[in-house]
Amino acid sequence: GQQLNQSPQSMFIQEGEDVSMNCTSSSIFNTWLWYKQDPGEGPVLLIALYKAGELTSNGRLTAQFGITRKDSFLNISASIPSDVGIYFCAGQGTGANSKLTFGKGITLSVRP
Amino acid sequence: NAGVTQTPKFQVLKTGQSMTLQCAQDMNHEYMSWYRQDPGMGLRLIHYSVGAGITDQGEVPNGYNVSRSTTEDFPLRLLSAAPSQTSVYFCASSYGGQGLGSPLHFGNGTRLTVT
Repeated sequence: GQQLNQSPQSMFIQEGEDVSMNCTSSSIFNTWLWYKQDPGEGPVLLIALYKAGELTSNGRLTAQFGITRKDSFLNISASIPSDVGIYFCAGQGTGANSKLTFGKGITLSVRP
Repeated sequence: NAGVTQTPKFQVLKTGQSMTLQCAQDMNHEYMSWYRQDPGMGLRLIHYSVGAGITDQGEVPNGYNVSRSTTEDFPLRLLSAAPSQTSVYFCASSYGGQGLGSPLHFGNGTRLTVT
């Protein structure tokens, strides 16, 4: 099946810094989703992208659907301590790729 | 809004024991699914259902059974627990099913340990 690549596995940043994460796929997707998981809780949807080239913001978060439809980016600006958690990308295509596929996640730590 | 409710929150089993993880949603979502989350492995799909009476296997179905008798409930059964099933289990639902790109809503998870 298709795979999503998220790297690195962990990121450490200073409070106030911006951080960028990307997610790449071997397959073309029609939908890209970004989720955040707080410790001890389930993932929560941050941003959904449905069109190649789409750029969407949610507060300090901005995500983009790559033009090639094989990648997506999430940017967090002016990080704060509550941004800590695991950030998952997820993608969905059509036909054999119609099942939602998750990346392995990036654990973000924010130093105050 | 309760959203997706999972019970129990924590469970410890001995090898060979059986149990059912409960999942209920109150959003009238047609699509429901079960994932397991293991360190470094991300979220892997176990089973899913596109509506009452319909279930199908995901990426890692072995050792697990599901049924969908109502729209609201989607229990996950472990018939004979094994240490390899130690994991965090998440139930998730969505309105239109995966084929329509509907974002999933997750429960808060069940942390299962099999000794």
